[in-house]
Parts: sequence; structure tokens; C-alpha cells
Amino acid sequence: DAGVIQSPRHEVTEMGQEVTLRCKPISGHDYLFWYRQTMMRGLELLIYFNNNVPIDDSGMPEDRFSAKMPNASFSTLKIQPSEPRDSAVYFCASSQTGTSSYEQYFGPGTRLTVT
Amino acid sequence: SQQGEEDPQALSIQEGENATMNCSYKTSINNLQWYRQNSGRGLVHLILIRSNEREKHSGRLRVTLDTSKKSSSLLITASRAADTASYFCATVRRMDTGRRALTFGSGTRLQVQP
Repeated sequence: DAGVIQSPRHEVTEMGQEVTLRCKPISGHDYLFWYRQTMMRGLELLIYFNNNVPIDDSGMPEDRFSAKMPNASFSTLKIQPSEPRDSAVYFCASSQTGTSSYEQYFGPGTRLTVT
Repeated sequence: SQQGEEDPQALSIQEGENATMNCSYKTSINNLQWYRQNSGRGLVHLILIRSNEREKHSGRLRVTLDTSKKSSSLLITASRAADTASYFCATVRRMDTGRRALTFGSGTRLQVQP
């Protein structure tokens, strides 16, 4: 398996622009998580899905952030409009029910810079 | 507040020495996991210890868990320069909803000098 795939790996955009981050989870995994990592705030869980349904979005910072999972193999995280404080590395991770460990597999991340 | 807090925040040692990182948490857990993150990369799962276990080994890694103190430690023996990375503990607990939640700590940055 190729692991969790994220695109793009790097994104530089200007304040006010829309940004869309993409994730393909590991095949067969039914949980998908979006995290944000910054030096100041560490690793923050933004939202997670189970069987394509959003379960907990309490970590989404504000209405400018939205996430979708139209099918089991694809998810997007959208920021509209983007702001400089959104600059961070965004990780997608997936996990599988039935493994009592609840181990998560992370993608390589998308480094977002908003100028 | 963070469910898992690592200590120290940063650690610098010489190659060949042992590295010990600690993690404290606040609530009852199902299991505790340690992850590693190389610079610019995603987190990678290293080892898991269940709440009914006290010690676990995997290669040069040794994890202990003390549920009475709500703490865990990760020991890396005979460290190598390639062990340089950030290490995170993560706790899995069952929420009131019945669902499980995995919460990451703030991490320890380990630097192994060659």
C-alpha cells in the first residue's frame, strides 16, 4: 500500500485566496483525521470522519475552515478565505476499526504558507 | 489542556547514550502509543502499550506505563544519530459517547550528536 497520500506537499498563497488540501487514506481504513501542526500550538486535531461521516469537528478553528469526505478514498480540507495565521503543516491520517490499538497512519503533510 | 505532556521538551545526547522521555496524562486510558516525527515528515507509530501492561520492548525501544501515576516513559538504548527526531506520546481513551479518542502530547525533540 502507498500509505496516506496528501497533495499538494507545499502550497504558497496570498491572504484571501481559497486553499484546498487533499487526502487519500489507506484503502480499507474507515477513519480519517485532519491535523494542523505549528510550533506555537503543536499538533491539533481539526476534524475526523468515520465511514465518510464527520464525527467531531470541534477542533476546526472557525467557519473559514471546512472539510468533506465524498467517498471512502478521498477527503478535502478547504480554507476560504485564507489568512497568514493559517500557515502551518496540515496532516491527514487514517485508521481502521477492528484494530483495538486505534493506531493512526499519517501522510507526509502539506506545508501551507499564506502571505 | 493537553492529555499528554512530554518531558523534557528537548533532549541532546551523544551517540551511544540512552535517551529517556516521559509522558504524563490526566484521564484513564485504553492504551498509550509513542510516535516519531522526522523533520518535515508525518508521524510514524513506534510502539503501543495497553493499560494492563507495565513494560514493553521493541528492538532498542523500551516503554513503561504506570497507570497509578498516569505516566509513561520511552527509553531508546544505544542511540544513533538517525534517532534524531521529535517523539510524541498519544493516549487512547473511550469517550462518554462510546467512541475512542486519540490525543497527542506536545512532543520531545531529541538530538543525537554523532
